[in-house]
Amino acid sequence: DAGVIQSPRHEVTEMGQEVTLRCKPISGHDYLFWYRQTMMRGLELLIYFNNNVPIDDSGMPEDRFSAKMPNASFSTLKIQPSEPRDSAVYFCASSTGNQPQHFGDGTRLSIL
Amino acid sequence: QKEVEQNSGPLSVPEGAIASLNCTYSDRGSQSFFWYRQYSGKSPELIMSIYSNGDKEDGRFTAQLNKASQYVSLLIRDSQPSDSATYLCAVRGTGFQKLVFGTGTRLLVSP
Repeated sequence: DAGVIQSPRHEVTEMGQEVTLRCKPISGHDYLFWYRQTMMRGLELLIYFNNNVPIDDSGMPEDRFSAKMPNASFSTLKIQPSEPRDSAVYFCASSTGNQPQHFGDGTRLSIL
Repeated sequence: QKEVEQNSGPLSVPEGAIASLNCTYSDRGSQSFFWYRQYSGKSPELIMSIYSNGDKEDGRFTAQLNKASQYVSLLIRDSQPSDSATYLCAVRGTGFQKLVFGTGTRLLVSP
């Protein structure tokens, strides 16, 4: 079975540019989570969706960040405008019911 | 107080020894507990889940849960160099789907 699929794997862009990260959850999973991981702050939950509806976005750092889930098989996380402090690894994870979350391979984002 | 606390390590053990990783949590209503392993540059990988008090064994791994003490641990028997990684403890509360992660314990197994 295919796991959680994220793209791109690596992104390097200049400050001020728009960045779009993409995620395809495991088929049949009704929860989708976006995380950010840095050495300083560890793994932080940014936002999560249930049945394509955002449930908790309290972890989104500021208005420059936005996330959408237009259908059950696709979600995006956008940063506009990007800043160097946004450099991190961004993970997407999915789950269903009370089952554990499964993570994608992540997107390593570098903002110059 | 952090919601989920782990010693950052590194915890160094020789090959073949038992590695003991510990985690405490603050929310008494927490119901589900998970251990993830993360190799450097890779994503977290689920290795154990536990939902009730006591021990749960899977191969060389044993998860232990004590809700009264708000404590969960992971034992790795016959540690191998390939077990060297960061181990993340994650806790899920009642009625919530989101996980709260500890900062992880780095384990080093020397040959």
